[in-house]
Amino acid sequence: QITLKESGPALVKPTQTLTLTCTFSGFSLRRSGVGVGWIRQPPGKALEWLALIYWDDDKWYSPSVKSRVTITKDTSKNQVVLTMTNMDVVDTGTYYCAHTTAPWLHLDVWGQGTTVTVSS
Amino acid sequence: DIQMTQSPSSLSASVGDRVTISCRASQSITSYLNWYQQKPGKAPELLIYAASTLQSGVPSRFNGSGSGTDFTLTISSLHREDFATYYCQQSYNTPGMFGQGTKVDLK
Repeated sequence: QITLKESGPALVKPTQTLTLTCTFSGFSLRRSGVGVGWIRQPPGKALEWLALIYWDDDKWYSPSVKSRVTITKDTSKNQVVLTMTNMDVVDTGTYYCAHTTAPWLHLDVWGQGTTVTVSS
Repeated sequence: DIQMTQSPSSLSASVGDRVTISCRASQSITSYLNWYQQKPGKAPELLIYAASTLQSGVPSRFNGSGSGTDFTLTISSLHREDFATYYCQQSYNTPGMFGQGTKVDLK
C-alpha cells in the first residue's frame, strides 16, 4: 500500500524559505518510471502543479515557480523535499505530494496535504 | 504551457442525474488526460487516467472519453457521494496543468 505524508511549517513569514518534506512508503524511488510530484492549492482555488522528480533524479518545474523552487530526493530515507524561496502571501495554501508512474504520469496516490500560511 | 479549460465551472444536479463535464486542451495531448475528484477539506483522488482508464476501485458509473484536445467525464447516475469538485489534468508534458475545476452540487 502506497502512502505519502507531507510535513513542514504551518506558518512562514514573507521573504522566508519554505521547506516541505514528503515521506512515503510502499514504493521505491529507485524503481524505473516512478516519480513524486508536488501540487498546491490556494484557499478556494484550483490545483497548481509545482514540481516533479523521477527515479533517475530528472527534475521538472513549473515555469511560474522555477526560479524559486528546488526538489530533491533522499531514497535512503524515502523522502522528497521541496524548497521554495522568497515566500509571499500568494503562496498561502495547501501543499500536496503525490506518487506517479510512467508512462501516463497520472497522480495516483496523494498525501493528505499540509497547510502553509504566509503572513508577517 | 498547455492550458486546460473545463466547462462548466459549476453545475447543480440531483441524485440519479447523468452529468457531463468537458475539458479542452490548448494543444493536442493525445490521451494524456487524467480526472480527479476532490471533496472539501480532502486531497484529490484519481478517477480516470489515460483519458478513459478507470482507476482501480472507482465505480463504473464514472466514464472518461476523448483524445487530442477534447475530453469528457461522464457520471452515468449521480450518487450522493459524487457531489464534489472535479479537475482534469494533462500529463503530456510539464508542467502538468490542471483545469480550473467543476463543482457539482445538489440542485
